[in-house]
Amino acid sequence: GNSVTQMEGPVTLSEEAFLTINCTYTATGYPSLFWYVQYPGEGLQLLLKATKADDKGSNKGFEATYRKETTSFHLEKGSVQVSDSAVYFCALISSGSARQLTFGSGTQLTVLP
Amino acid sequence: NAGVTQTPKFQVLKTGQSMTLQCAQDMNHEYMSWYRQDPGMGLRLIHYSVGAGITDQGEVPNGYNVSRSTTEDFPLRLLSAAPSQTSVYFCASRGGSVNTEAFFGQGTRLTVV
Repeated sequence: GNSVTQMEGPVTLSEEAFLTINCTYTATGYPSLFWYVQYPGEGLQLLLKATKADDKGSNKGFEATYRKETTSFHLEKGSVQVSDSAVYFCALISSGSARQLTFGSGTQLTVLP
Repeated sequence: NAGVTQTPKFQVLKTGQSMTLQCAQDMNHEYMSWYRQDPGMGLRLIHYSVGAGITDQGEVPNGYNVSRSTTEDFPLRLLSAAPSQTSVYFCASRGGSVNTEAFFGQGTRLTVV
C-alpha cells in the first residue's frame, strides 16, 4: 500500500531562517505528490504539487522537487516568516490507492520573530 | 463561492449517543472523503465516495456510516459514539483526476465523554 513519512516536529525557527521539511514515500504506480498547509483553526489547503518525476512545485516562496530515485518530496523555503507558522502535510495520490490521498503525520512549524 | 461546508464546528457527545456530521460542496466534484485528524497520526481516511450512490471504506471505517444520495452532500454518521472517536473530522472534495487539488472543510472538533 501507499505510505508517507515526514520528519517529526515540532520545528521552531527564527524569522528569515532556512526551512527544510523532509518527506519520503512508498507508492504503487506513479503517484502525484502534494504539500498541504493547515493554519490554526482551519482546514487544509493546497500549498504546492508535482505530478511527475523531476517536476518542481512552488508557491509563496516554498518549493519541493519530485525525486523518483530517492522517493522524496522535501519542502524548502529560503526565508521563513512568522506568518508561515502552521502544520505542513506531505501527501500522495496514485491510481493504486483508489485515487484517495494518503497523508504523512504532519509537521508543526513555529516561526519566532 | 462556499467551497466545502461542514457543520457543526464543535460537538460534545456522551458515550453511546449518535450524531451526523454534515458536509456539502458546491463545486460539482465527483470525489468526497471523510478524514479524522489525531495528534501525531496525520489524517486517516474513514470513508469516501466516487459519485452519487457509490461509497467505500477507507483506513478506519469502524463505527461510522456514510451515504451519498446527491453529488453535493456526504454526511458522516456516528452510530454509537465512543471516547476513541474524539478527534477532529475533515470533509474533502475534489475532481476526478489524480492531479486535482482537494478542498477541505474547516473541520468538526468532536469530543466524546
